Amino acid sequence: DSGVTQTPKHLITATGQRVTLRCSPRSGDLSVYWYQQSLDQGLQFLIQYYNGEERAKGNILERFSAQQFPDLHSELNLSSLELGDSALYFCASSVGSGTYTDTQYFGPGTRLTVL
Amino acid sequence: AQSVTQLDSQVPVFEEAPVELRCNYSSSVSVYLFWYVQYPNQGLQLLLKYLSGSTLVKGINGFEAEFNKSQTSFHLRKPSVHISDTAEYFCAVSEDTGNQFYFGTGTSLTVIP
Repeated sequence: DSGVTQTPKHLITATGQRVTLRCSPRSGDLSVYWYQQSLDQGLQFLIQYYNGEERAKGNILERFSAQQFPDLHSELNLSSLELGDSALYFCASSVGSGTYTDTQYFGPGTRLTVL
Repeated sequence: AQSVTQLDSQVPVFEEAPVELRCNYSSSVSVYLFWYVQYPNQGLQLLLKYLSGSTLVKGINGFEAEFNKSQTSFHLRKPSVHISDTAEYFCAVSEDTGNQFYFGTGTSLTVIP
């Protein structure tokens, strides 16, 4: 158990809908990262927040957004969902601002299925 | 942007045999290299990382990896695998210019009794 929690574990929704994925980092960790894992594109970094501020951006679509709240939990919002958004979404957390020396601890993931 | 290649998508190996999982990356600029393991229905867990210094890095569960700058490789090895090593293994690269990690597509290691 990494100490990172994600809810829900599974989510099934329809195309065009909007969903929110939630992540609680390990106690004391200030950074939260979001990743998407799909069969065709592998594991891709989406976005990182550090202490409430956006820190780094990867291959995140404009239909997706995220935020980190004062209590450091984070939410990933996915809107206008398409079939291709079906994937496993991971959250990770780390103590620092996310340099290469910072170990990331991954949550168990949220499996999103778009029908 | 970096490109990370894990040539072997599936590697079956008998229990107690040695194994090598291959990883190559694209850029020769300063990079930092990682191997993660993903057990079924779980998130990723860091096995080991190379930041600087000795090119041979030892990690958890008896795994080690060797950084080869000239060949832009970071292959993962274990001299004797156990059934419990059955999992998906991901190689990842980070550059010192940013916080972004680039992951390979993963290698599924299956240990056969």
